[in-house]
Amino acid sequence: QKEVEQDPGPLSVPEGAIVSLNCTYSNSAFQYFMWYRQYSRKGPELLMYTYSSGNKEDGRFTAQVDKSSKYISLFIRDSQPSDSATYLCAMTGPTDKLIFGTGTRLQVFP
Amino acid sequence: EAGVAQSPRYKIIEKRQSVAFWCNPISGHATLYWYQQILGQGPKLLIQFQNNGVVDDSQLPKDRFSAERLKGVDSTLKIQPAKLEDSAVYLCASSLDRSPADTQYFGPGTRLTVL
Repeated sequence: QKEVEQDPGPLSVPEGAIVSLNCTYSNSAFQYFMWYRQYSRKGPELLMYTYSSGNKEDGRFTAQVDKSSKYISLFIRDSQPSDSATYLCAMTGPTDKLIFGTGTRLQVFP
Repeated sequence: EAGVAQSPRYKIIEKRQSVAFWCNPISGHATLYWYQQILGQGPKLLIQFQNNGVVDDSQLPKDRFSAERLKGVDSTLKIQPAKLEDSAVYLCASSLDRSPADTQYFGPGTRLTVL
C-alpha cells in the first residue's frame, strides 16, 4: 500500500463547476498537508498549505484535512479554464521530507 | 525574486551514456532537493542537501547516481551510466531551511529521455 493515494483522473468539468480533489494516506505521523499545482512542462507550485486538521480558505480554493479519516481534500469553486493542470497532494510529518500523491489531472472546458 | 533555475531543460541520450543536470536555488535558501518525477507519478525525493552537506540520500541509486552541492549554492546531479528507466523529469527545489513549514520552491525541471 502506498503512503499516499490519489486518483489520477483525468477529471473533466465545465467552467464554473465546483471541483473536489482528494487524497488518502496511511501514515498517522503526517502533520503538514499541501496541495501543489503543476502546469504542463512546469515545476509544481504550492497552492495551499494546512497544518493538522481543519479547513483553510484562499479565494476560490478551500483545503480540508480530516486526520481521523486520514483524508484530505481540495475544493475549487467557480473553476476556470486556467485551473486546468495536475494537482498534487503532498504531506510530511516531523521531518521536511515530502511524500507526494500521483497527481490528479484536471481539465476545465469553456 | 528569481526562482529556481535548472539546465538543460531537455536532454536525450542513449542508454549507458552519462548525463549531468545543474540547479541554482533561490538566493539564501539553505536546503536543496532533487526529485525524480516519472510520467504519471508524483515527485520522489532523490537527495536533500542542507548547505553543502547531505541530509537524506536514502532513495538515490548510488551505483549510478551522484550529486554534489559545492559551496552550499549550486548543485549538480549526475547519472552514469543511464538506463531506460531513468527517463523522467528531474526537479530541483529549494527552501529557506529544513522546517516542514518552509515552502519548497520548484524549478521547471529537466526532461530526460533515455533511448
